[in-house]
Amino acid sequence: NAGVTQTPKFRILKIGQSMTLQCTQDMNHNYMYWYRQDPGMGLKLIYYSVGAGITDKGEVPNGYNVSRSTTEDFPLRLELAAPSQTSVYFCASTAGGGYGYTFGSGTRLTVV
Amino acid sequence: EDKVVQSPLSLVVHEGDTVTLNCSYEVTNFRSLLWYKQEKKAPTFLFMLTSSGIEKKSGRLSSILDKKELFSILNITATQTGDSAVYLCAAYSGAGSYQLTFGKGTKLSVIP
Repeated sequence: NAGVTQTPKFRILKIGQSMTLQCTQDMNHNYMYWYRQDPGMGLKLIYYSVGAGITDKGEVPNGYNVSRSTTEDFPLRLELAAPSQTSVYFCASTAGGGYGYTFGSGTRLTVV
Repeated sequence: EDKVVQSPLSLVVHEGDTVTLNCSYEVTNFRSLLWYKQEKKAPTFLFMLTSSGIEKKSGRLSSILDKKELFSILNITATQTGDSAVYLCAAYSGAGSYQLTFGKGTKLSVIP
């Protein structure tokens, strides 16, 4: 029972490079989210999805893009990486109905 | 804009002490409030509170919600070094996307 799987766990990018953070869940959850966590700042919502083919912006979407072609996968794309995107990224999912989130183990990204 | 505010932001106590962590919220169409524990990795779920005045308890941890005054507290009795972590408070809004708005967290350090 894998839950939410994020890859990679660590990554160093140079300014201007692009990358995709992968997120897969095997719980058939409709709702999926991407958060970033900066030191001392809690978690801020980047993008979310309420089902395959449906995505929407969260609080801090600039510099990111997402897609949701299947229920299982919710990749986060960083275009033209900037130092301000240095952060820990968490993917999460829920079945809805007020249940808590299941989180992935996180991706620590450094942009230099 | 939905807002969750936690206090204090950090706290240092000795083993055996009792601590109270505070969380206030202003969330559109509030549904429920959640507490998470985070130890250098993904947050792990502690409690979800939906009804006012009903205490949730798990071992030495307990939490209660006051929907009239828009706050919650998390109590930890007889603290142990293993309780050292960041405790995150988050609130669900009534929007259909089940977004969680997180506070910045309280960093608890328990020293022997």
